[in-house]
Amino acid sequence: NAGVMQNPRHLVRRRGQEARLRCSPMKGHSHVYWYRQLPEEGLKFMVYLQKENIIDESGMPKERFSAEFPKEGPSILRIQQVVRGDSAAYFCASSPSEAGGDGYTFGSGTRLTVV
Amino acid sequence: AQSVTQLDSQVPVFEEAPVELRCNYSSSVSVYLFWYVQYPNQGLQLLLKYLSGSTLVKGINGFEAEFNKSQTSFHLRKPSVHISDTAEYFCAVIPWAAGNKLTFGGGTRVLVKP
Repeated sequence: NAGVMQNPRHLVRRRGQEARLRCSPMKGHSHVYWYRQLPEEGLKFMVYLQKENIIDESGMPKERFSAEFPKEGPSILRIQQVVRGDSAAYFCASSPSEAGGDGYTFGSGTRLTVV
Repeated sequence: AQSVTQLDSQVPVFEEAPVELRCNYSSSVSVYLFWYVQYPNQGLQLLLKYLSGSTLVKGINGFEAEFNKSQTSFHLRKPSVHISDTAEYFCAVIPWAAGNKLTFGGGTRVLVKP
């Protein structure tokens, strides 16, 4: 029973390129959350998705960032025209329901470095 | 909105000594509470959670936490730490109502010294 799978584990992009981060939730989980962890900081919520729907994107920067969770396939966090300040660890989490008491299962993260 | 404050950003502790990590939260609604651990270059792993009932909850790896509603606290403790407990620990809350998201504190880095 695989956990939350994120790939790639490490991603290096030059300024101005696009970064695509993938997340496959745990089997049976239909709720996906993306968090960003900047160096020496805690985790900041970015977006909450269910299949084909964005439920809460209050933590997403207004420009260059987008997320999707299609009917088939993994959830994708896309960052266009990356800048050095986008360098961070991006974590995906999933839960089986929208009830908070289930908690989240986290992936191992994608560490994005913008050079 | 909810907020979580972890009062200590770093806690050095000697091996086999006890450790306490402090967590206070603010919320206008009832919340569930969690502690997660993050080992270097890894994701977050759930240590324990408080949903209801007994205010003392036990988790994995010998950790326990106590919920104090009047002080809005959820401090994490371990009576005797090991070198392998060196990690970052995050306190988090989520409202009871469905459709919300976890809000994390800033984390406490525990460094266990031999």
